[in-house]
Parts: sequence; C-alpha cells; structure tokens
Amino acid sequence: GQNIDQPTEMTATEGAIVQINCTYQTSGFNGLFWYQQHAGEAPTFLSYNVLDGLEEKGRFSSFLSRSKGYSYLLLKELQMKDSASYLCAVSGRSGGSYIPTFGRGTSLIVHP
Amino acid sequence: NAGVTQTPKFRVLKTGQSMTLLCAQDMNHEYMYWYRQDPGMGLRLIHYSVGEGTTAKGEVPDGYNVSRLKKQNFLLGLESAAPSQTSVYFCASTLGTSPTDTQYFGPGTRLTVL
Repeated sequence: GQNIDQPTEMTATEGAIVQINCTYQTSGFNGLFWYQQHAGEAPTFLSYNVLDGLEEKGRFSSFLSRSKGYSYLLLKELQMKDSASYLCAVSGRSGGSYIPTFGRGTSLIVHP
Repeated sequence: NAGVTQTPKFRVLKTGQSMTLLCAQDMNHEYMYWYRQDPGMGLRLIHYSVGEGTTAKGEVPDGYNVSRLKKQNFLLGLESAAPSQTSVYFCASTLGTSPTDTQYFGPGTRLTVL
C-alpha cells in the first residue's frame, strides 16, 4: 500500500516564496508528481521527480529525497493566480503495474 | 486533439437509479483511470485499465463497474446509485507508466445522488 501526507492548507503573500511538503511511504517507487488544481477544474501536471535532487521549471521547483520519502514543491514570486490546490502523487507498484496514488492535496491561499 | 473528454458534465440521480459515465481519449493512451474526488479526500482511484479489454480495481471500487471495450473509451457504471456516491468523478489517461508519462485529466462529472 501507499501512504501520502501533505498539509491541508497554507497561506502566503503575493510575491513571497512558499514550500509545500509531501511525505510518502510506498512499495516499488516509480516517480513522484505534483499537480495543480484550481477550484472547479481538473488537475494539471506541474512536475515530476524520479531521482534525488531539485527539478526547476520557471517559478516552480520540486525536490525529492527517496531515502527520506520526502518531496517538496517550491513556488517563487507568488501570484494571485497560484491560489489553488496542489496534489502530490506517488507512482508505486500495484499488481503488475505502476499506479499513481494521490495525497489529499494542499489548498494554497495567496493574499495581497 | 480533444484530449480527454467526459460525458455528462453534470447529473442528478435518485437513490437506486443507474447510470454510465463515459470517458474518451484521442491520444492513443494505453492506461485509463477513474477517480472520485470528495472534499478533503483528494483523488481516490476507483478502477483502472491497462489496455483494451482489461480492467482492475483501485482503492474504492465497491458500487462501481467499468468496461474498456475500445482503447479510446473507458466507461464507469453505477448500477444502483447511493447518496454516498455523490462526488466529482475524474477520468484520466496515460501513454504508459513511465514517470514521463504524465496523467491527462478530463474536465470532471459532477454527480449528485438524492
């Protein structure tokens, strides 16, 4: 089985930096993904990590430590439009396939 | 490309009624998934399919059935709807299970069971 934990809610100020943490336990790790979901919309892909280290994509970066079962999503220069839910998903072995399991999501509120 | 589409977008059912949700993708993806999303619960996997004609149970399969008769379509059926099945249902697809094969989601179906 897989267990994924992330904070329920975070608040931050426009222009600031925020770090959203995700811890996980899984069998057969095959990758960790971050998705963004605005209210009333479908999730959209942000980033993935397979190896330890930092992956940077513009204002967003994601870090992974496989030995610690830990990842974080770093959002820089926050904008109001970044107010959304951020979902951590871990791909782990299920039967003969690798299937992603999602955490409960972190609701980020960006205020002026 | 339309990507992943879902039909219908909204539906209200009475307890005991049945219905089928349709998911279609035009990206030639092998894997398709059905999730439900409830407040504070994240996305929970109902059933998934690793290819045409094959399906498997996810985390919360009870009360649902699925079929993948064509590669591009994945149907989710509720035989006898219950209020506990009120939720937002998302379909997703991936090319395979490589970490670079990210999931593409449909727009969701908002189902209310009275």
